[in-house]
Amino acid sequence: QKEVEQNSGPLSVPEGAIASLNCTYSDRGSQSFFWYRQYSGKSPELIMFIYSNGDKEDGRFTAQLNKASQYVSLLIRDSQPSDSATYLCAVSYAGNNRKLIWGLGTSLAVNP
Amino acid sequence: EAQVTQNPRYLITVTGKKLTVTCSQNMNHEYMSWYRQDPGLGLRQIYYSMNVEVTDKGDVPEGYKVSRKEKRNFPLILESPSPNQTSLYFCASSFRGLAGGQETQYFGPGTRLLVL
Repeated sequence: QKEVEQNSGPLSVPEGAIASLNCTYSDRGSQSFFWYRQYSGKSPELIMFIYSNGDKEDGRFTAQLNKASQYVSLLIRDSQPSDSATYLCAVSYAGNNRKLIWGLGTSLAVNP
Repeated sequence: EAQVTQNPRYLITVTGKKLTVTCSQNMNHEYMSWYRQDPGLGLRQIYYSMNVEVTDKGDVPEGYKVSRKEKRNFPLILESPSPNQTSLYFCASSFRGLAGGQETQYFGPGTRLLVL
């Protein structure tokens, strides 16, 4: 059973701080890793993806992948109240389907 | 504008009354998928389609049907809805069978269904 685990939170950080979100996955054959943001009642929207070990930066967001330890993280610098949302981690693995396995999400609250 | 559209966005119906939720994408994606999202259970895949006329069951297919007669459309059919199908439904699409991030799924706005 392929699994993706996330701490459900809520993770609460003050405005301007760094928010750190973590995700672990069970399948070593996993190939690509995605972070989505979802506001309550809205659809998930892609923040970024990563598929190579190391860091990938996009504006205030940095994704970090460590395949040996089977974890992927998302750092949000200079957190804003508008970042308050649920962050979903998704993992794709090699196979005919390229199906995404989803975590349950981490709720982030950024306090003004 | 590249997008995935769903209709209706909100629907209240009664047990047993057949309904269809439409999904359409304009990105020429081969892969399309339906999810339902329920509190505490996350996103669960109902059905997916790798291409026209190619569909397969996801994790929770019971009570649902799909078809893929055209590349852009992937309707979800509930032949006899029941209250346990009350949920938030999302359609998503992506390029097929690729890796390195190209399999990124793009979501429609969601359909909130209430079955009485």
